[in-house]
Amino acid sequence: AQKITQTQPGMFVQEKEAVTLDCTYDTSDQSYGLFWYKQPSSGEMIFLIYQGSYDEQNATEGRYSLNFQKARKSANLVISASQLGDSAMYFCAMREGERDYNTDKLIFGTGTRLQVFP
Amino acid sequence: DTGVSQDPRHKITKRGQNVTFRCDPISEHNRLYWYRQTLGQGPEFLTYFQNEAQLEKSRLLSDRFSAERPKGSFSTLEIQRTEQGDSAMYLCASTWGAGPATNEKLFFGSGTQLSVL
Repeated sequence: AQKITQTQPGMFVQEKEAVTLDCTYDTSDQSYGLFWYKQPSSGEMIFLIYQGSYDEQNATEGRYSLNFQKARKSANLVISASQLGDSAMYFCAMREGERDYNTDKLIFGTGTRLQVFP
Repeated sequence: DTGVSQDPRHKITKRGQNVTFRCDPISEHNRLYWYRQTLGQGPEFLTYFQNEAQLEKSRLLSDRFSAERPKGSFSTLEIQRTEQGDSAMYLCASTWGAGPATNEKLFFGSGTQLSVL
């Protein structure tokens, strides 16, 4: 069964520094997608970045990059130049590709609370 | 594109009462999902619709829970005979998808926070 593990309940980072949020996953599929979402205190889940299992390059979206290590089954999120507005919960999620045609879902980890201080 | 809307934002109810939540997805999206999120946890999948068809249900969705998407547009999630353990944030998400692709990102609403007293 697919599973996402985020082992860091909380992380602190100083403004303008980089931070890495860890994510490991478990799946028997060869085709899958990995996502990171941000959830501010307002509650809405905001998409940050996507990595496909067959993508040869690590995904990047502005200040966000995904350090994808397929053999280790890890998909860590790197936020460069942290800003105070980055303080939020961050969730790693996975969608399996080798699934029944009529099924679809993202499976989420338990999240990491990031706090950025001045 | 007005985003995914959920109503109400907050609901307080007494144990044993029925509650209904509404989700309006992004208009062109054919796929709609309901998730439940408790404090300190990630969202847990409840159910998935493609157009009006409910195609997947989690074992978390007990027989007290029912979801509909009657015309393939908005969706409702009803909880009958609420219990204190139902207290959670209920999130709705939507996307456009066809087939077993992996890259379609989900767009989430702000959720309905349910408190059962």
